[in-house]
Parts: sequence; structure tokens; C-alpha cells
Amino acid sequence: GAVVSQHPSRVICKSGTSVKIECRSLDFQATTMFWYRQFPKQSLMLMATSNEGSKATYEQGVEKDKFLINHASLTLSTLTVTSAHPEDSSFYICSAWRGATGELFFGEGSRLTVL
Amino acid sequence: AQSVTQPDIHITVSEGASLELRCNYSYGATPYLFWYVQSPGQGLQLLLKYFSGDTLVQGIKGFEAEFKRSQSSFNLRKPSVHWSDAAEYFCAVGASGGSQGNLIFGKGTKLSVKP
Repeated sequence: GAVVSQHPSRVICKSGTSVKIECRSLDFQATTMFWYRQFPKQSLMLMATSNEGSKATYEQGVEKDKFLINHASLTLSTLTVTSAHPEDSSFYICSAWRGATGELFFGEGSRLTVL
Repeated sequence: AQSVTQPDIHITVSEGASLELRCNYSYGATPYLFWYVQSPGQGLQLLLKYFSGDTLVQGIKGFEAEFKRSQSSFNLRKPSVHWSDAAEYFCAVGASGGSQGNLIFGKGTKLSVKP
């Protein structure tokens, strides 16, 4: 079964609204989770590193006020796309690092479409 | 700077034929190396990883990869490809000694399988 669960898998929203995507580690506690964006036929672009109990670390060029990340517990990180616009439409993927085994587990991804 | 190169964007092989996907990395220290597979509209699944020890590592679904330090390569192989192997494959490198999962991904190789 899935070790990391991401929800929702698909979401369609109107321009100007906000959308929240959840990423849960099911089998282990993850102090560190990651959020990626993937454009069609391209690799994953790391957006930010989510650290439990502290502020997320954003990659260069990623607007932290637009992509709000919260990692309030050891099993849950959320990405909120605020005031979404059509150019924010993309496939967003999260991952959680299980340090005990040195493995990075990925969620199933969330397809965001902004109309 | 750390980087991962997957020279082949798209490979087509016949079902039952052998497969080799190339991956070259640039990293100053001893790397953690990974291969992931992504089916359309899905997250990434770990196929195998190399941290240390035996340079030939076995993974799931009959895949294996060989770490060659002298060539800075970590090529993925499978002796007989199945139609269900058609997917996107990503090679990734991470820092050893507890990078907390901050991996650098290659741009991916799309595998198509002919009947």
C-alpha cells in the first residue's frame, strides 16, 4: 500500500481562489517533506523543503507567499496555492524522507487545473 | 555543482529485449544514487538505491543497476522488458551522510515497449 498519500489527486478551481493539497506519511514520521512541481514531459522541479515545526525552505524563484507550506505534524504537510491563476496549473508531487532506511517516498501527485 | 544527466530522452525497445538506461552524475563526495519510475499521472516509485557496498544493486520488478565510480555512472538494466515497464524513469543523486532526502533528479527517460 501507499506509504505517502496525497490528496486530492485532481482539483479544478476558478482563477483567484486558493487550493490546499495534503501530503501524509502513513507508515512513518517524516521530519522532512518535499514539494515538487512537474510540467508535462519534464522532470520534477523542487519547490520547497518542508520541515516539521519550522518554516519551509523555498527554492530560488518560488514565491513563498503564493505557495504556502505548513508542516504542523510529523505526518502531514500541506501546500496551499493562493490566488491561483491558470499558469499555476500543473502536477504537484510531495515526498517524505524516511531517514531510518534512507528512502524518499512519493505521493501519487495532484493535478491542479485553474480555469 | 551536483547534477544528473540522462542522455536518452526516449527509448523504444521490443518486449522481451534487454534494456539499459543511462545515468551520469556529477557529485564531489560519495553519492547516494537512486532510480525511480513514474507511470502517467502518478507519483514516483523507488526501483532501487545505492549507498555503499556491492556496486551491483538489485531492485524491484527485475531491475538492477551498477555503480561505476570511474565513469560517474549508475546505469539501469533489465534483461527482458515487459510491456508494463513502459513508463518514465528518473535517476537521482543525493548527498550521503543524511541529506534528508534532498535529491537532484535527471530529466528522465521515457521508455516505450513495442509488442
